[in-house]
Amino acid sequence: TQLLEQSPQFLSIQEGENLTVYCNSSSVFSSLQWYRQEPGEGPVLLVTVVTGGEVKKLKRLTFQFGDARKDSSLHITAAQPGDTGLYLCAASNDYKLSFGAGTTVTVRA
Amino acid sequence: KAGVTQTPRYLIKTRGQQVTLSCSPISGHRSVSWYQQTPGQGLQFLFEYFSETQRNKGNFPGRFSGRQFSNSRSEMNVSTLELGDSALYLCASSLAQGAFYYNEQFFGPGTRLTVL
Repeated sequence: TQLLEQSPQFLSIQEGENLTVYCNSSSVFSSLQWYRQEPGEGPVLLVTVVTGGEVKKLKRLTFQFGDARKDSSLHITAAQPGDTGLYLCAASNDYKLSFGAGTTVTVRA
Repeated sequence: KAGVTQTPRYLIKTRGQQVTLSCSPISGHRSVSWYQQTPGQGLQFLFEYFSETQRNKGNFPGRFSGRQFSNSRSEMNVSTLELGDSALYLCASSLAQGAFYYNEQFFGPGTRLTVL
């Protein structure tokens, strides 16, 4: 059973468009992380959000942690083909990461 | 600084066999975690080790086991392989200083196990 629900499961957009990926849960988390995984590689950490209502920006990526610390979103502005990959949200507790199922993002040139 | 290395990268086994996968963490990292990734179940936590002690274990059968050595290198073993064990097995390491979630997890490229 996934504690974290990610939507959509798949997203295909044209270069230059914007996209948003969501991560929701009924549980409250002390922190939430976003990873990107490319084929043949392990996930790479993009950001960790800790405070409810927190917004973090990483170039064209904007991450938000919900006020109640139960949900998060990842927004990409002006997507590029290099943004293609599997985006995963993860919650950390008891010395482990619990991952959502992931959103596969394809950016077409 | 070298990243997390996993060996072998690819492995083909038959049902009933056993397999041992190896993970070398980033130098100085003391925590090593293992995850199984499949298309159907996504990334599932297997176990985490710190200073040769298992601190947490996921919901996997006893056929899955692991250990960590004094140099922080880790191995995981799967006995009596089943078709459903086919997956990408990922290892992650971290410094393990302070709260767990403050420590960035660095993942290796994984070992692709195929069970025939």
